[in-house]
Amino acid sequence: GDSVTQMEGPVTLSEEAFLTINCTYTATGYPSLFWYVQYPGEGLQLLLKATKADDKGSNKGFEATYRKETTSFHLEKGSVQVSDSAVYFCALGNGAGSYQLTFGKGTKLSVIP
Amino acid sequence: GAGVSQSPSNKVTEKGKDVELRCDPISGHTALYWYRQSLGQGLEFLIYFQGNSAPDKSGLPSDRFSAERTGGSVSTLTIQRTQQEDSAVYLCASSLVTGAEAFFGQGTRLTVV
Repeated sequence: GDSVTQMEGPVTLSEEAFLTINCTYTATGYPSLFWYVQYPGEGLQLLLKATKADDKGSNKGFEATYRKETTSFHLEKGSVQVSDSAVYFCALGNGAGSYQLTFGKGTKLSVIP
Repeated sequence: GAGVSQSPSNKVTEKGKDVELRCDPISGHTALYWYRQSLGQGLEFLIYFQGNSAPDKSGLPSDRFSAERTGGSVSTLTIQRTQQEDSAVYLCASSLVTGAEAFFGQGTRLTVV
């Protein structure tokens, strides 16, 4: 079945540091890929998405590129802020395969001033 | 409605009691998902609805858990004879079509004492 693997946390960075959170997936067909973010005390929010190979999703300074050849969708941000502290979930949606949204286990990011 | 609405937001119940959790998805969304998020854990898929039918019930952890969806809209997750291990945040999400981006509610925090 479909699966998502993302780097284990927690990740602690200083403000303005570069962020990469790795995400790889296994899926049949041509899934859509998502990054969700959960800020402390809040619900899950969609951060960005990509629906086909080589698409780049971007939002709030975060980017991720759908790489079919490496089955990856790594999240990056050039300069993190304290307000980026949250748990980040990589997810896969595959209407042609397993119809559930498959999530990674989440990566907790803490940004210190 | 404007977003996915879940009620109650918090529920404390005694072990052995039954509870019902409600989810009101975004109007027009055909797919509806229930997930469970235990403390410090990732998202555990419970059940998925397409319209009123549930083609995938594979994630329900035991026969004490059941869910229904009426009129292609509101869904209710019922947990019978609650146990302490059922304590978690129960998240509902909906998407326009299967495999598309999902929009999450704020969740119901269930505490079984």
